[in-house]
Amino acid sequence: DVKVTQSSRYLVKRTGEKVFLECVQDMDHENMFWYRQDPGLGLRLIYFSYDVKMKEKGDIPEGYSVSREKKERFSLILESASTNQTSMYLCASSLGLAGKNEQFFGPGTRLTVL
Amino acid sequence: GENVEQHPSTLSVQEGDSAVIKCTYSDSASNYFPWYKQELGKRPQLIIDIRSNVGEKKDQRIAVTLNKTAKHFSLHITETQPEDSAVYFCAARGANNFNKFYFGSGTKLNVKP
Repeated sequence: DVKVTQSSRYLVKRTGEKVFLECVQDMDHENMFWYRQDPGLGLRLIYFSYDVKMKEKGDIPEGYSVSREKKERFSLILESASTNQTSMYLCASSLGLAGKNEQFFGPGTRLTVL
Repeated sequence: GENVEQHPSTLSVQEGDSAVIKCTYSDSASNYFPWYKQELGKRPQLIIDIRSNVGEKKDQRIAVTLNKTAKHFSLHITETQPEDSAVYFCAARGANNFNKFYFGSGTKLNVKP
């Protein structure tokens, strides 16, 4: 059973703070993703990674960066948090094999930036 | 890139009725279309998917249809039950990167007992 965990369920930060959101998966998946979920906007891809130290921008990368030093861990970094980054953040992972496409999601981190 | 539109944004049905959620996509090369269900306070989970070489797929009370010519696909839930109440997301896999998915904006389904 795939398990994707995120470091926090709820997080409150102040404008300008540096924020780290961490995601860990235990199924040796090659691909990992960070999404943000906002009402009426669905899931929007921020960044994804298909291998250790590899990353690609998604649709809304501005204001974010990522780090993948180990296969099981994918971190999302907000260098200087702003109020418009208040959102639900979802991490996901999937196998890197063609035909094995299911994305497994973490429980989410609800971030509030004051 | 791909653009996925999903309708309706909210849907309310009586228990036992059918529910249909529709999605359109823009990239004719997209070839894989999953549907995710997200119950309140929980993570999205895959419930059914369809590939572009198939027109319809069923799994008990849920089915998905795909019309490649019109570039739309739909989720059908029959004999709805209160536990079907959730937010449903459609998605399309990007043609240029088979690991990248584009999600619709979600449909909140409410099944009234």
